[in-house]
Amino acid sequence: NAGVTQTPKFQVLKTGQSMTLQCAQDMNHEYMSWYRQDPGMGLRLIHYSVGAGITDQGEVPNGYNVSRSTTEDFPLRLLSAAPSQTSVYFCASSYLQGISGANVLTFGAGSRLTVL
Amino acid sequence: AQTVTQSQPEMSVQEAETVTLSCTYDTSESDYYLFWYKQPPSRQMILVIRQEAYKQQNATENRFSVNFQKAAKSFSLKISDSQLGDAAMYFCAYDPYGGATNKLIFGTGTLLAVQP
Repeated sequence: NAGVTQTPKFQVLKTGQSMTLQCAQDMNHEYMSWYRQDPGMGLRLIHYSVGAGITDQGEVPNGYNVSRSTTEDFPLRLLSAAPSQTSVYFCASSYLQGISGANVLTFGAGSRLTVL
Repeated sequence: AQTVTQSQPEMSVQEAETVTLSCTYDTSESDYYLFWYKQPPSRQMILVIRQEAYKQQNATENRFSVNFQKAAKSFSLKISDSQLGDAAMYFCAYDPYGGATNKLIFGTGTLLAVQP
């Protein structure tokens, strides 16, 4: 059981380039999300999805696109990379657990992106 | 706006001693969830403990326990018998939607050092 798999683990881009961070989960989780982690700022939500075909914006969505065509995959696209997007990106998946309804995230290992 | 505040950027504890990490949050909701996540140098985010707001009893997981003060909006993490493997960044997180989404709000983190 692989859990949440993110690729690539490291990437260096030039300003203006585009790329896609891949995220796949094999746990049949309904919910998936993307966070970015910056020093001194914790994790901030970029986009999230509550099921295939349904996505919505989080706290810092500008410059990023997502889609959810399958339950398993939730790619994050940077259309025109900017230095401000230099960060560590985490994908997470979750489902409602039991009667309490707690939504416990399972995180991927993270992707470090540097934009020059 | 809903916020999570971790006022201790760094903490240090001697091996086998006890340490408490602080977290406060701001919300007008009555039903929500709180979490502590651990991030070791490997960068992997690991769930340490969770608390449902409707439960008055403080959650406990082995050497980890919380002091949940709902009226004060405080959610501190106590680590007993600290071990070298506890050295990590610790994030407090708040789920304001009762599990309906996976939109967690994270604090800025506390870096815990464990001295041998």
